Amino acid sequence: DQQVKQNSPSLSVQEGRISILNCDYTNSMFDYFLWYKKYPAEGPTFLISISSIKDKNEDGRFTVFLNKSAKHLSLHIVPSQPGDSAVYFCAASSGGSNYKLTFGKGTLLTVNP
Amino acid sequence: DAGVIQSPRHEVTEMGQEVTLRCKPISGHNSLFWYRQTMMRGLELLIYFNNNVPIDDSGMPEDRFSAKMPNASFSTLKIQPSEPRDSAVYFCASSPGGLGYGYTFGSGTRLTVV
Repeated sequence: DQQVKQNSPSLSVQEGRISILNCDYTNSMFDYFLWYKKYPAEGPTFLISISSIKDKNEDGRFTVFLNKSAKHLSLHIVPSQPGDSAVYFCAASSGGSNYKLTFGKGTLLTVNP
Repeated sequence: DAGVIQSPRHEVTEMGQEVTLRCKPISGHNSLFWYRQTMMRGLELLIYFNNNVPIDDSGMPEDRFSAKMPNASFSTLKIQPSEPRDSAVYFCASSPGGLGYGYTFGSGTRLTVV
């Protein structure tokens, strides 16, 4: 049973436009959420995170929004660039001293020039 | 810092053979994680260690899988005997503790069992 779901396997966006990647979770114990980016033949790299005490976290072109009541988070990339083309993974943890991350299956983002 | 180092990058083996994957975490990181990536299941946590002690191995699929961390700078994941369905990319990751900066992943080992 997937506790972290990324229902869109792929997304295609024009350069300069906004990319919105979505993630849903089912475990109400999750209280820390992260996004990772992965290029082919490389390991995932940490992008941005958010604690459940917040509903928004921003870092440059990347913003993560958290809607706890809907158990939904999203990653916004504005403006999108061709170098952003990668697989994006959503991950969640129940926090405390438990550093175990549960990942979604990923969404392949393609930014077209 | 060289990051998390995994070896080998690619491994092709015959069904029934023993396979050993290796990982060197970032110095000073006290948590180490082994993940497996497949198309069907995405990134699955197999096992994680904290201060060299296995904390959660509930993701290890079968007794054919075992992992060790004899010291803070080295870990192995062993599959014996290997089967074609074990074919996947295996990632090792380490963390200094806390989730503020997430994990740092290695580049992975692509395992093919024929």
